[in-house]
Amino acid sequence: GQNIDQPTEMTATEGAIVQINCTYQTSGFNGLFWYQQHAGEAPTFLSYNVLDGLEEKGRFSSFLSRSKGYSYLLLKELQMKDSASYLCATLDSNYQLIWGAGTKLIIKP
Amino acid sequence: ETGVTQTPRHLVMGMTNKKSLKCEQHLGHNAMYWYKQSAKKPLELMFVYSLEERVENNSVPSRFSPECPNSSHLFLHLHTLQPEDSALYLCASSQDLPGGATEAFFGQGTRLTVV
Repeated sequence: GQNIDQPTEMTATEGAIVQINCTYQTSGFNGLFWYQQHAGEAPTFLSYNVLDGLEEKGRFSSFLSRSKGYSYLLLKELQMKDSASYLCATLDSNYQLIWGAGTKLIIKP
Repeated sequence: ETGVTQTPRHLVMGMTNKKSLKCEQHLGHNAMYWYKQSAKKPLELMFVYSLEERVENNSVPSRFSPECPNSSHLFLHLHTLQPEDSALYLCASSQDLPGGATEAFFGQGTRLTVV
């Protein structure tokens, strides 16, 4: 079956660094997305990885290892506004999006 | 403003009611989607439209009926729903037809409560 695993909830401190992991098992692979969703708001696109390695975009970076079926989202210099859910999703061989349940990130002062 | 607008933001309906959710995208995209988001569960894809043609229907109960009158508008008609249908219903659009590895733009969702 197809499966995306990510932690349900994480807590971090303002100004610190946090890494949110995502592991996947899907039939085929055509890329992995990370989305951010604030409570009561629309999910918004953060990153897309299809090749192995690290993609950096400001305070956020996303890493992919296709051989390990693993990705992480790295958030640096955490701000209170980063409190949100972070959704991992992969594109399978049919280009269908398979979603994880999301990781709720709580930032404390 | 995300470019994808959903109305209403909140809806409470009885099990015998009929209501409709509306989605409008101002991005010139070719594909539109309905998703169901329940607490602590992955997003569930319900319907996909490409150029106003339905291309995906993921075994959704017939009490949910989509309509796509043009490439900018998408509706979800609801009738005789069950309490377990209470969830956040998200509309999304993307530039490419389903199958393209491009990002989706989401609306803010309709929080539906069935009583």
